[in-house]
Amino acid sequence: DSGVTQTPKHLITATGQRVTLRCSPRSGDLSVYWYQQSLDQGLQFLIQYYNGEERAKGNILERFSAQQFPDLHSELNLSSLELGDSALYFCASSVQWLGSPLHFGNGTRLTVT
Amino acid sequence: GIQVEQSPPDLILQEGANSTLRCNFSDSVNNLQWFHQNPWGQLINLFYIPSGTKQNGRLSATTVATERYSLLYISSSQTTDSGVYFCAAPLNYGGSQGNLIFGKGTKLSVKP
Repeated sequence: DSGVTQTPKHLITATGQRVTLRCSPRSGDLSVYWYQQSLDQGLQFLIQYYNGEERAKGNILERFSAQQFPDLHSELNLSSLELGDSALYFCASSVQWLGSPLHFGNGTRLTVT
Repeated sequence: GIQVEQSPPDLILQEGANSTLRCNFSDSVNNLQWFHQNPWGQLINLFYIPSGTKQNGRLSATTVATERYSLLYISSSQTTDSGVYFCAAPLNYGGSQGNLIFGKGTKLSVKP
């Protein structure tokens, strides 16, 4: 168990809908990352937060947004969902925002029908 | 940004065999990590190894930063070693971004 908690484990929704994925980092970790894993794109970095502030942004669509709350948990909001958004979404956490090991949650499998 | 390439893409082993997985990166790194994704999709951090050699049981890893590669050794493989092995490096050396760029992985299948 990595100590990173993601909910829900599975999510099935229809095109056009909006969903929220939740992540609680390991105790003591201040940095949270979101990654998307799909068969054709591999593991793609979406966004990173450190102690409530956005630190880095990757290939995150404008329909997607995230935030990290004062208690350090993070949420990833996906809106106007398309079939191509179906993927495994991972949250990871680390102690620092640079140069420390990443620990991943078990992921949320999103299926858009 | 950095490019991360892994080889081989696929590897089939008989239980008990040894193997070496390779990760090449296009730029200097100060942070190189190896992960194992098991058949259930869980991503486990195996090593944080910006340079030098580390060992953890039957697994060991070596990073030669000056030559821009890292190796993951698996000895006496077991069926539970099956899955995909990823290496990952930061987008920019010394930069302000902590996110890791992942290679495409090596898919390992260990047969009993």
